[in-house]
Amino acid sequence: DAGVTQSPTHLIKTRGQQVTLRCSPKSGHDTVSWYQQALGQGPQFIFQYYEEEERQRGNFPDRFSGHQFPNYSSELNVNALLLGDSALYLCASSPTQSSYEQYFGPGTRLTVT
Amino acid sequence: KQEVTQIPAALSVPEGENLVLNCSFTDSAIYNLQWFRQDPGKGLTSLLLIQSSQREQTSGRLNASLDKSSGRSTLYIAASQPGDSATYLCAVFIRGSTLGRLYFGRGTQLTVWP
Repeated sequence: DAGVTQSPTHLIKTRGQQVTLRCSPKSGHDTVSWYQQALGQGPQFIFQYYEEEERQRGNFPDRFSGHQFPNYSSELNVNALLLGDSALYLCASSPTQSSYEQYFGPGTRLTVT
Repeated sequence: KQEVTQIPAALSVPEGENLVLNCSFTDSAIYNLQWFRQDPGKGLTSLLLIQSSQREQTSGRLNASLDKSSGRSTLYIAASQPGDSATYLCAVFIRGSTLGRLYFGRGTQLTVWP
């Protein structure tokens, strides 16, 4: 079992650009959550996907959007990048019947210059 | 709104010391509480999960307690080792009708020196 995988590992973008991050959940998991972790901070909840729909959303602007595919993998899209979007983006997957069991991927480090 | 606070923000101790990390949360309607370990630039590794009905959990040299009524948890690390150096994050799980989400503290950065 490969666990939760994320790609790419690192990414450098310029202000105003758009970025897409990808996540493959752990085998048997159908729910995917995304978190943003700025340097020196705890992870902040962005949103959560189940059955290809956004089910919960944290306090993030509409520039942050996502998608879940039929195979449960997920994408996080960020438009009009700001310097403040520089962070480690973490994906967590869980089975619906025990959604508290969230397994985290290694993260994608996004740097906006 | 749930807020999670961790004290201290940083801790530096010599090898072999027993130490306590503290976590507090504002809303006691939690489903469970987890302690995670995070190495620099890496993802999160779950260390201990305490259900809201439990008082403590133990794994090896780690012991976590939960006092839901007072909104507090502690992580006790016995006989610390340099390999324990990492950031330790506390998170509470709030459950909705079916799904839920984690609320994290900022973490305690632990350094154990030989």
